[in-house]
Amino acid sequence: NAGVTQTPKFQVLKTGQSMTLQCAQDMNHNSMYWYRQDPGMGLRLIYYSASEGTTDKGEVPNGYNVSRLNKREFSLRLESAAPSQTSVYFCASNLGTVYNEQFFGPGTRLTVL
Amino acid sequence: AQSVTQLDSQVPVFEEAPVELRCNYSSSVSVYLFWYVQYPNQGLQLLLKYLSGSTLVKGINGFEAEFNKSQTSFHLRKPSVHISDTAEYFCAVNGGSNYKLTFGKGTLLTVNP
Repeated sequence: NAGVTQTPKFQVLKTGQSMTLQCAQDMNHNSMYWYRQDPGMGLRLIYYSASEGTTDKGEVPNGYNVSRLNKREFSLRLESAAPSQTSVYFCASNLGTVYNEQFFGPGTRLTVL
Repeated sequence: AQSVTQLDSQVPVFEEAPVELRCNYSSSVSVYLFWYVQYPNQGLQLLLKYLSGSTLVKGINGFEAEFNKSQTSFHLRKPSVHISDTAEYFCAVNGGSNYKLTFGKGTLLTVNP
């Protein structure tokens, strides 16, 4: 039982390049989330998927797109990376009720030059 | 709307001293409260959660928190800290949404020998 896994762990991009961050969970969770973490800002929700086949914007969705590929996988795409997207990105999942805590992946550290 | 305020961005303490990390929340509905810990270069993991019932909640690693509805607080405490407790701690609130947690900006606990 690996929990929530993310790839890659580290990535350096040039401004304008694109990339996809991958996330997978093996806990049969319904809901999945993408956050970004910046110093002094806590975690901010980018997008979430309440269930397979649905996605919704969070607090800071601009510049990102997501795909809920199946129940296990939820990817985050940066179409044209900008230096402001330099951050640590976390994927999380849970059963999708108010009672259930979210389980987090180890994060992807992204630098955009 | 819901929000979380962590009153201290940094808390330095000496080993074996007690510690309290403060968290206040605002929400117009009943809340479910969580504390997460993030060790350096890792993802977040759940310390404890308050859903209902007893206002004193015990978590992992000797931490506990007290829910105070009148003061809208959920402070985290440990009677004697260890070097290994050095980490960032996040308070989070779910104000009734099945899918969204709102996080505070975090408190960096540094335990010195």
